[in-house]
Amino acid sequence: GAVVSQHPSWVICKSGTSVKIECRSLDFQATTMFWYRQFPKQSLMLMATSNEGSKATYEQGVEKDKFLINHASLTLSTLTVTSAHPEDSSFYICSAQGGVGELFFGEGSRLTVL
Amino acid sequence: GEDVEQSLFLSVREGDSSVINCTYTDSSSTYLYWYKQEPGAGLQLLTYIFSNMDMKQDQRLTVLLNKKDKHLSLRIADTQTGDSAIYFCAGNTGNQFYFGTGTSLTVIP
Repeated sequence: GAVVSQHPSWVICKSGTSVKIECRSLDFQATTMFWYRQFPKQSLMLMATSNEGSKATYEQGVEKDKFLINHASLTLSTLTVTSAHPEDSSFYICSAQGGVGELFFGEGSRLTVL
Repeated sequence: GEDVEQSLFLSVREGDSSVINCTYTDSSSTYLYWYKQEPGAGLQLLTYIFSNMDMKQDQRLTVLLNKKDKHLSLRIADTQTGDSAIYFCAGNTGNQFYFGTGTSLTVIP
């Protein structure tokens, strides 16, 4: 079946640095990918919809200058957390939409900002 | 937006069947999904059902969809300790996906 790979799985960084997380669809092309954030003991929160070749659509309350999304190819979307702070520590998950609308998730990236 | 509701906790004994329920408000979802999240891990797609189906079976998993009542359930037969995890149901309207809060399943040996 379709596989979505997310990298890195774990990242620890210092406050003020930027971190890039990659989301790749391995055996299918995805014109649309999604980025989510999961807070402890809560469900996923959709952050933005990433469309190949165009600007991402951000959900209300998500800072687009803070969370930069680039979807440069049909198999890769990246999320860059700029000038990370401890409150950005979270579990970030991407998903890619298949050809008939089904959704496949990456395994997530746990970000810890010191 | 859509509201997707699940019970927060479920405990079953090993070998019994587990049934995790989900209700949703928007009936326009094309697909409805069940995901499993183990501690410290990402989401794993367990199964999904097309909205024009009533039932889908995949080995130990049975998904039932009642569109009239907007109710989705996941039955796990012969539940094992490895099935202990959080289970999320989800639906989508267009490109917007909505998740339930998750049901934490505990399997007692």
